[in-house]
Amino acid sequence: QLQLVESGGGVVQPGRSLRVSCAASGLTFTSSAMHWVRQAPGKGLEWVAVISFDGSDTYYADSVKGRSTISRDNSKNTLYLQVNSLRPEDTAVYYCARAPPRRLTGFDYWGQGTLVIVSS
Amino acid sequence: AIQLTQSPSSLSASVGDSVTITCRASQGISRALAWYQQKPGKAPKLLIYDASSLEAGVPSRFSGSGSGTDFTLTISSLQPEDFATYYCQQFSTYSFTFGPGTKVDIK
Repeated sequence: QLQLVESGGGVVQPGRSLRVSCAASGLTFTSSAMHWVRQAPGKGLEWVAVISFDGSDTYYADSVKGRSTISRDNSKNTLYLQVNSLRPEDTAVYYCARAPPRRLTGFDYWGQGTLVIVSS
Repeated sequence: AIQLTQSPSSLSASVGDSVTITCRASQGISRALAWYQQKPGKAPKLLIYDASSLEAGVPSRFSGSGSGTDFTLTISSLQPEDFATYYCQQFSTYSFTFGPGTKVDIK
């Protein structure tokens, strides 16, 4: 059973940076692509970024492209997302999610989320 | 980028009803679609992947169908624990957008 636990959220001023983390325990973190998904208060889900199992490939949503970096440390079973130049519209619960190996669709494991509030 | 629309945006139903939610993609995505259920304050839960494959542990009253641009999620006999918001998600190349969601509440 894979467990994902996010951390690093909080209140941040506009223009500043924040890094959120996702610690994985259990099986198959190192063989799975991982994603970040966010949800603004009272709104729907927004896919943010993906990283391949070995960290060699990354892709981003247009809303964060150029100011965000997704990374992973497989030796620590940890996923990261750094967002720079934060804007009020980045306020959201940030979830990490796993794409199961050998499957094309669906995120089967999710963390509980960490809330980021961008406000002065 | 591929966009997803869902209809209806909300619906009211009773326990035991059959409910169908539609998801439409702005261009063909074959069967690269998943469905999730989300309850307030909780992370989404995967119900259906590859348009029609039931995730392990999900009750068989949930079913998915469709391919190309038009997809449906059907709940055959609504149970009290099914009142939630449902999202579709597409998996085209390096793009994983979600639909806007359909809220299912109690009539």
